[in-house]
Amino acid sequence: DAKTTQPTSMDCAEGRAANLPCNHSTISGNEYVYWYRQIHSQGPQYIIHGLKNNETNEMASLIITEDRKSSTLILPHATLRDTAVYYCIVRVNSGGYQKVTFGTGTKLQVIP
Amino acid sequence: DVKVTQSSRYLVKRTGEKVFLECVQDMDHENMFWYRQDPGLGLRLIYFSYDVKMKEKGDIPEGYSVSREKKERFSLILESASTNQTSMYLCASSLSGQGTEAFFGQGTRLTVV
Repeated sequence: DAKTTQPTSMDCAEGRAANLPCNHSTISGNEYVYWYRQIHSQGPQYIIHGLKNNETNEMASLIITEDRKSSTLILPHATLRDTAVYYCIVRVNSGGYQKVTFGTGTKLQVIP
Repeated sequence: DVKVTQSSRYLVKRTGEKVFLECVQDMDHENMFWYRQDPGLGLRLIYFSYDVKMKEKGDIPEGYSVSREKKERFSLILESASTNQTSMYLCASSLSGQGTEAFFGQGTRLTVV
């Protein structure tokens, strides 16, 4: 299984960019990188995903290194509502089917 | 609006009881998943299903079973609940294939006393 490694916690000042790193050094060529976040007492919410190109949507940008062994989620202007646990995951093929496995994530605290 | 619905938000059961946690999705997704979430351990996959009547063990299947008789419904069963199964349980669903996102329910907080 391609596992991911993230820092346990990070702080970010409100209005600044939050850069959340993730290592996935054993990722396979056809496996996508996904990011989710979980705000307290809610189910995880999808943010963005990518294969090898950088991606951007209304919530965030995803930068994947050329060797695909790591990625960075960027929240361009963090707000207090972005305080959450952020999960970086890789979709793993298990007998031909995708198994979605989470790690422990990064707890992002946005500070006023 | 896409929806994954878990039957209960909070549940209290006694040790030894048989417990059913129900999850329904209205998106015609092939894949469905059950996770548990505990402080410091993140989300851990219990079981997943990629089609009706099909199931695969996740990382921590011991003490649990699942049932998927219809495409939209995925049930998690605790045959004999124990206190160490007190946890937040999360259900998710997704389409098959790469490049698709998973949608989560709001979770069921189960307490076994």
